[in-house]
Amino acid sequence: SQTIHQWPATLVQPVGSPLSLECTVEGTSNPNLYWYRQAAGRGLQLLFYSVGIGQISSEVPQNLSASRPQDRQFILSSKKLLLSDSGFYLCAWSGAATAGTVWTQYFGPGTRLLVL
Amino acid sequence: GIQVEQSPPDLILQEGANSTLRCNFSDSVNNLQWFHQNPWGQLINLFYIPSGTKQNGRLSATTVATERYSLLYISSSQTTDSGVYFCAASNSGYALNFGKGTSLLVTP
Repeated sequence: SQTIHQWPATLVQPVGSPLSLECTVEGTSNPNLYWYRQAAGRGLQLLFYSVGIGQISSEVPQNLSASRPQDRQFILSSKKLLLSDSGFYLCAWSGAATAGTVWTQYFGPGTRLLVL
Repeated sequence: GIQVEQSPPDLILQEGANSTLRCNFSDSVNNLQWFHQNPWGQLINLFYIPSGTKQNGRLSATTVATERYSLLYISSSQTTDSGVYFCAASNSGYALNFGKGTSLLVTP
């Protein structure tokens, strides 16, 4: 079965510091990968998605970037954190375009980031 | 992108009651999903349902794509059903647009 991991679970960082959040998926090949942010007030916002190694699509211009160095690894980064970067960051995966049921998304446990 | 609106925003039920959550979307979709977020933040996929009807235990969902809405039914609610229910839709497949959710509290 497929599993998705995220770390760290929680993180407190000062303003201006760098950020690296990691997401890995097991049990599947060539998944589509996604980064979402959930701010206070419940809504989820798609930040980035990737359909393959090195292929990143950005949905929202911001202080963050994403990379996919390996098939099942997705990294969210920032060079200098802002207060507004605080939130709950969720990674998700779905099957590749050639699979059967393509679009069902499965979420990781998330990382709670507090920027002070 | 597609606009997704959910109602009601908040709902309080007694254990055993039934409820219907609604999701309206602004355009045709090829991807519509319902999720449950538990109090610890974990998002669980409930249904992938761009059209038609599905059932899973006490939960069922119906999407009427031509009228641009989806309904999530919860029957015989339990305290473990508490949390936030999200509807998310897309017409590109990839970029899911989430509604603001329905916060459900089931009391004993």
